[in-house]
Amino acid sequence: EPEVTQTPSHQVTQMGQEVILRCVPISNHLYFYWYRQILGQKVEFLVSFYNNEISEKSEIFDDQFSVERPDGSNFTLKIRSTKLEDSAMYFCASITSGGIYEQYFGPGTRLTVT
Amino acid sequence: GEDVEQSLFLSVREGDSSVINCTYTDSSSTYLYWYKQEPGAGLQLLTYIFSNMDMKQDQRLTVLLNKKDKHLSLRIADTQTGDSAIYFCAEGTGNNRKLIWGLGTSLAVNP
Repeated sequence: EPEVTQTPSHQVTQMGQEVILRCVPISNHLYFYWYRQILGQKVEFLVSFYNNEISEKSEIFDDQFSVERPDGSNFTLKIRSTKLEDSAMYFCASITSGGIYEQYFGPGTRLTVT
Repeated sequence: GEDVEQSLFLSVREGDSSVINCTYTDSSSTYLYWYKQEPGAGLQLLTYIFSNMDMKQDQRLTVLLNKKDKHLSLRIADTQTGDSAIYFCAEGTGNNRKLIWGLGTSLAVNP
């Protein structure tokens, strides 16, 4: 069964460093998302991406964040200069098309900023 | 603004039914979802219901939606120890179908 994959599963980085979190959505999916879950808090929407551009972003998704779909398979989230408060589980998700609402999630990347 | 609330904990005995409740605020939500998260694992889509439906049944799972009260529930029949997990309620909103999440209900199933 097709699934969303994410790498790495755990990333430890120092404050101020750049990190890139990688996702491979399900192959025929067209809408892509990043969410994050800070320990003990709700899962929060960060950004949605469709047709090679950001379709919506939350107020969390400031200039330190960017997303890219560099080829036909990968979908990346870059954090330019990490802060301690960026420590969280980051989930990638995708859906197949506008008429379908089943949003499938990857296993997540745990980002620890020290 | 949009918000989703759930009770944090539920404990049931194996074989009993579990009912997990959720309330939401956005009346324009199109779909409402239940996801399951087992320890150390990702978010698994369990089921979802379109906002113009009252009920959806899928094997041991029954979803009830009271749109007037903005109340959603998930009933798990014959709960097993393997059902122990965190259950998240989420509402799908907007053209981009972003999900707004509850905090999750931790279900403990006791033998």
